[in-house]
Amino acid sequence: QQQVRQSPQSLTVWEGETAILNCSYEDSTFDYFPWYWQFPRESPALLIAIRPVSNKKEDGRFTIFFNKREKKLSLHITDSQPGDSATYFCAARNTGNYKYVFGAGTRLKVIA
Amino acid sequence: GGIITQTPKFLIGQEGQKLTLKCQQNFNHDTMYWYRQDSGKGLRLIYYSITENDLQKGDLSEGYDASREKKSSFSLTVTSAQKNEMAVFLCASSPGTGGNQAPLFGEGTRLSVL
Repeated sequence: QQQVRQSPQSLTVWEGETAILNCSYEDSTFDYFPWYWQFPRESPALLIAIRPVSNKKEDGRFTIFFNKREKKLSLHITDSQPGDSATYFCAARNTGNYKYVFGAGTRLKVIA
Repeated sequence: GGIITQTPKFLIGQEGQKLTLKCQQNFNHDTMYWYRQDSGKGLRLIYYSITENDLQKGDLSEGYDASREKKSSFSLTVTSAQKNEMAVFLCASSPGTGGNQAPLFGEGTRLSVL
């Protein structure tokens, strides 16, 4: 079964610090990697995404770093804000069957 | 802008009951998905449909049926609700199988089984 793994399971940072969320995968047929954030009692919302042709994707305070050789990604949130407190999911699309597989999530808490 | 509408928002069922959840999108997206999310957990794919009249099983399809009635709608049926089952069922859609546009999610249907 295809897997996407996320670490850590939970993370607490102070306001203004950089939070780093990790994601790894096994299947080389994954060709697109969106990240979602989910606030309590809401559905996941698309945050940022990257394709393996790039090793970096930036959108404001959110940056994905991608290492294709090691099959690893990380989401960096700079100048973390309390409003960034949410669960973050890394997902991967299989180019063969177009399934999106999700990791178990990282719960981020930003303390003011 | 478009929207993905899931009905009902809350569903209370009885053990053994057959329950149907509906999803409508007005993005004109080709591909639609049903995911299940248990409390504090990730998302597991139940069924998806690449285009109208297509149906593909996900990793969690046992115990469920799905139907893509038309391009804009995708239904999910719980064939026999399990006692004390509680989960959120999320519908999503995306423009197609290729490209760089990730699925967008509806607000979910929260299921509780007595």
